[in-house]
Amino acid sequence: GNSVTQMEGPVTLSEEAFLTINCTYTATGYPSLFWYVQYPGEGLQLLLKATKADDKGSNKGFEATYRKETTSFHLEKGSVQVSDSAVYFCALSDRRGGAQKLVFGQGTRLTINP
Amino acid sequence: DADVTQTPRNRITKTGKRIMLECSQTKGHDRMYWYRQDPGLGLRLIYYSFDVKDINKGEISDGYSVSRQAQAKFSLSLESAIPNQTALYFCATSDVDIRNEQFFGPGTRLTVL
Repeated sequence: GNSVTQMEGPVTLSEEAFLTINCTYTATGYPSLFWYVQYPGEGLQLLLKATKADDKGSNKGFEATYRKETTSFHLEKGSVQVSDSAVYFCALSDRRGGAQKLVFGQGTRLTINP
Repeated sequence: DADVTQTPRNRITKTGKRIMLECSQTKGHDRMYWYRQDPGLGLRLIYYSFDVKDINKGEISDGYSVSRQAQAKFSLSLESAIPNQTALYFCATSDVDIRNEQFFGPGTRLTVL
């Protein structure tokens, strides 16, 4: 079945460091791919998305490129801030059985130290 | 005001009790979802509803039931709560295009003693 695998957390970085959170997926067809972010005490909110191969999603300095050849959607940011501390979830859209729903990875907790 | 609201935000209950978690939305979306979040497991889908007359089981529906009272309301019930149902529960909504995002409520933290 369709699935998403994220790099194990937690990840701890210093402010202004470069960030990569790996995400790979298994899917039939051509799913859309998403990164959601969960700040402490809040629900999930969409960070960025890509709907077809080679698309790049970007928002708030974060980027991710839909790589069909490597089935990946890695999240990157060139210079992280303390305010980026959160849990990040990679997800894909699943159309199996005619239904449409999201499949999430296990989440990666990111902590940025000043 | 928040587009997706959940009540209660926190609940502590005892094994065997019946619990209802409620979700309301003002986004006008037809599709609503219930997820549970456990550490290290991400979000797992419990039930989803594509309109008032459509209810579907997700990957972990055992021990749960739902009711779609109106387009804007989707309730999750635990008929007889057990400790391994202790988790963070999220409601979400979306429009019909899966390429678009789901909008999440703030979550309900449920503890079953």
